[in-house]
Amino acid sequence: EIMLTQSPGTLSLSPGESATLSCRASQSVSSSYFAWYQQKSGQAPRLLIYASFARATGIPDRFIGSGSGTDFTLTISRLEPEDFAVYYCQLFGSGDSSWTFGQGTKVEIK
Amino acid sequence: QVQLQESGPGLVKPSQTLSLTCTISGGSVTSGNFYWGWIRQSAGKGLEWIGHIHTSGNTNYNLSHGSRVTISVGTSKNEFSLKLTSVTAADTAVYYCARARAVTLRYFDYWGQGRLVTVSS
Repeated sequence: EIMLTQSPGTLSLSPGESATLSCRASQSVSSSYFAWYQQKSGQAPRLLIYASFARATGIPDRFIGSGSGTDFTLTISRLEPEDFAVYYCQLFGSGDSSWTFGQGTKVEIK
Repeated sequence: QVQLQESGPGLVKPSQTLSLTCTISGGSVTSGNFYWGWIRQSAGKGLEWIGHIHTSGNTNYNLSHGSRVTISVGTSKNEFSLKLTSVTAADTAVYYCARARAVTLRYFDYWGQGRLVTVSS
C-alpha cells in the first residue's frame, strides 16, 4: 500500500502571503492519479487540483499544483481569507484500485 | 450537474449494521465510466476511503475493514448503498458519498454533503 505523507501539519500565515504544502508518496506514483482537495469546517472536501497540476472548474489561478514521482506540491499564492482551510492530497492506486488520502495540512490565520 | 445526497440513520447501536444510501441527481450508477465511493471522516481526523462500486458493478473495499463492508447499487439506478456490519464506537464518523472518474485520470469530482453517524447504545 502506498502511503502519502503531508507536511507541515499546520501552516500559520497571514492573508496575502504564500503557502507551500507538500505531499510525499512512499513510492513513485502516476501524476494522472494524484489530486488535491480543500475542506472547510463542516463542509465536504472540494476538488482543487487533479492530475498533479490541472485546476478543477472554478478554482482560481492562485492555486498551483506541481510535482511528479514521489513529491508533489500545492502552492497557494496571495492567500485570501477564504483559503484558510485543511488541504488533503489523494492518490489512486492502480494496482489494487484503492484510494489513499494524506493526513491533511491545516492552513490557519496567523 | 451531478448532485449526491447521503441518507440513513444517524444513530446505530454497537454490533449492529450501519446502512446508508447515496442518491444521485443528474446521473446514474450504471452509466458512464465512474467509481461511486464512500469516504468517512472521524471527528478531527482525516479522510478514509471505505470502498467504491464501479459503473460495471465491480467493487473494491479498503482492506482495513475486512469483510464488514458491502457497497451495492440501490433499488433504483440512481442510488448506491453502504453497509458496514458489527459497528463499534470507532465507526462514528461523517460518511460521504462521492463520484470519481475512472478513465485516464482519477479524482473525486462530486461529493455529498456528508451524513454524521454515531455509534452508541
